[in-house]
Amino acid sequence: DAGVIQSPRHEVTEMGQEVTLRCKPISGHDYLFWYRQTMMRGLELLIYFNNNVPIDDSGMPEDRFSAKMPNASFSTLKIQPSEPRDSAVYFCASSFFLTTGGTQYFGPGTRLTVL
Amino acid sequence: GIQVEQSPPDLILQEGANSTLRCNFSDSVNNLQWFHQNPWGQLINLFYIPSGTKQNGRLSATTVATERYSLLYISSSQTTDSGVYFCAVEYNFNKFYFGSGTKLNVKP
Repeated sequence: DAGVIQSPRHEVTEMGQEVTLRCKPISGHDYLFWYRQTMMRGLELLIYFNNNVPIDDSGMPEDRFSAKMPNASFSTLKIQPSEPRDSAVYFCASSFFLTTGGTQYFGPGTRLTVL
Repeated sequence: GIQVEQSPPDLILQEGANSTLRCNFSDSVNNLQWFHQNPWGQLINLFYIPSGTKQNGRLSATTVATERYSLLYISSSQTTDSGVYFCAVEYNFNKFYFGSGTKLNVKP
């Protein structure tokens, strides 16, 4: 398997622009997670899905952030409008049967810079 | 929320040395994982270890859930072990909270 795939790997945008990050989980995995990593706050869970349904989005920082999972093989994280404080590395991870022995597999991340 | 503390924050080793990394957590957790973030930023899972001991080559981990800590042992360290080691605990269903990490630098 190719692992979790994220695109783009790097994104530079200007404040106020819309940003869309993409993730393809490992085939067969039924959980998908979006994380954000910053120097100040470390790794934070933003939202997770189970069987394409958003389960917990309490980590989403503001209404400017939204995430969707239209099918089992694709998810997006959108920021509209973007702000400089959104600059971070955004990771997508997937897993299978998390609480019964699954483990999370992370994608390579998307490094977002908002100018 | 739960507090996850890792120690030491920074560690410098000579190649071949052994080390122990610690993860303390402030409340009962469902599960615990250890990750290695390599210098290129990739997060790689090492162990999924809610309790007990597991070994994988030169690495092993022990979690004592009743005492709220986990240890990661690295033996005969290599330069490729450099990076940041994170523990993440599952507190509340499916929600993982990460510690701030231990940054390891293995010198040749």
